[in-house]
Amino acid sequence: NAGVMQNPRHLVRRRGQEARLRCSPMKGHSHVYWYRQLPEEGLKFMVYLQKENIIDESGMPKERFSAEFPKEGPSILRIQQVVRGDSAAYFCASSPRDIYNEQFFGPGTRLTVL
Amino acid sequence: DAKTTQPPSMDCAEGRAANLPCNHSTISGNEYVYWYRQIHSQGPQYIIHGLKNNETNEMASLIITEDRKSSTLILPHATLRDTAVYYCIVRVEFAGNNRKLIWGLGTSLAVNP
Repeated sequence: NAGVMQNPRHLVRRRGQEARLRCSPMKGHSHVYWYRQLPEEGLKFMVYLQKENIIDESGMPKERFSAEFPKEGPSILRIQQVVRGDSAAYFCASSPRDIYNEQFFGPGTRLTVL
Repeated sequence: DAKTTQPPSMDCAEGRAANLPCNHSTISGNEYVYWYRQIHSQGPQYIIHGLKNNETNEMASLIITEDRKSSTLILPHATLRDTAVYYCIVRVEFAGNNRKLIWGLGTSLAVNP
């Protein structure tokens, strides 16, 4: 049973470009969470999704950021018009039910904005 | 904002027990305490969680005080591979039966040979 997959592992973008981060949850998991981690800091919750639904996006910046978890395929975190401050590690986690259960994390995507 | 406070760093000798403290004085009655660890910028790894009672699994033990305002994660026989940042997290409840993990800065544990 493969774990949570994230790709790409490293992503370099220039200011103003778009970044697309993908997350494939563990098999049988229908809940996905996205977190951002700046250097030397803890994880910051961004968004919680179930299949085709955004449950909680209270941690998402109001502009340029969006997330989806379609019926088929991976969850996507999309950052439009990236700025240097978007440089961070972005982690995806999944769980089989809601957050009552443990979350299983992927290896993360390191985004660098030049 | 994080609901937990932890010492920023700790040291432990290999083979000895590592006791990692956590304060969560504002925790509410239905909020669980979770512990995760992150090894060298990898994805965090679940360790254990609890509400009121002490918990034990193959990785660690979790001791929660009776007033629930603090807890201690115990790694009974620390190894070099336990060197990591350990996060004590409170799971909070929101309207609509939603729940969320609120992460702090964690404790950087160094296990020394």
